[in-house]
Amino acid sequence: DAGVIQSPRHEVTEMGQEVTLRCKPISGHDYLFWYRQTMMRGLELLIYFNNNVPIDDSGMPEDRFSAKMPNASFSTLKIQPSEPRDSAVYFCASSLGQGGGTQYFGPGTRLLVL
Amino acid sequence: GQSLEQPSEVTAVEGAIVQINCTYQTSGFYGLSWYQQHDGGAPTFLSYNALDGLEETGRFSSFLSRSDSYGYLLLQELQMKDSASYFCAALRGRDDKIIFGKGTRLHILP
Repeated sequence: DAGVIQSPRHEVTEMGQEVTLRCKPISGHDYLFWYRQTMMRGLELLIYFNNNVPIDDSGMPEDRFSAKMPNASFSTLKIQPSEPRDSAVYFCASSLGQGGGTQYFGPGTRLLVL
Repeated sequence: GQSLEQPSEVTAVEGAIVQINCTYQTSGFYGLSWYQQHDGGAPTFLSYNALDGLEETGRFSSFLSRSDSYGYLLLQELQMKDSASYFCAALRGRDDKIIFGKGTRLHILP
């Protein structure tokens, strides 16, 4: 299996621009998670899906952030408009069921908003 | 509330044993996981404890005590490649949500 795939791996954009991050979970996994990691705040759960349905989006910082999962093999996290404080590494992870606490992380997208 | 406490940094010597502690306060607690993250990399799963006791996986072991809301990760025969950050994470059973600790950076001296 190819593992969780994320694109792009790096993104540099200017404040105010729209940013779209993409994720392909491991085939057969029914949970998908979006995380943000910064030095200051650590690893934060933004939103997660079960069978393509958003279950908990309480970690989404504000209305500028939105996430979708149109099918079992694809999810997007969109930031519009982006701000410098959104600069972070964004990870997508997937798991099978509760996964025994096991989540498989993608390589992450390093976002820099100037 | 939901919180996990672990030391921010630990230093040990190559070949030695090190223990990284984690205390948690999580409603609906179901189990405790450990993840390793190298600089510039993604977190990777190490172990999971749903029951009290010790789970061993090669050089790594993980322990859980539900009554004490406490767990630890034990790394034996430390190698330089074990230099990384280690995160404990609590699985909340009622909604399958995982809450991560802030991570412990492990420094290994030759």
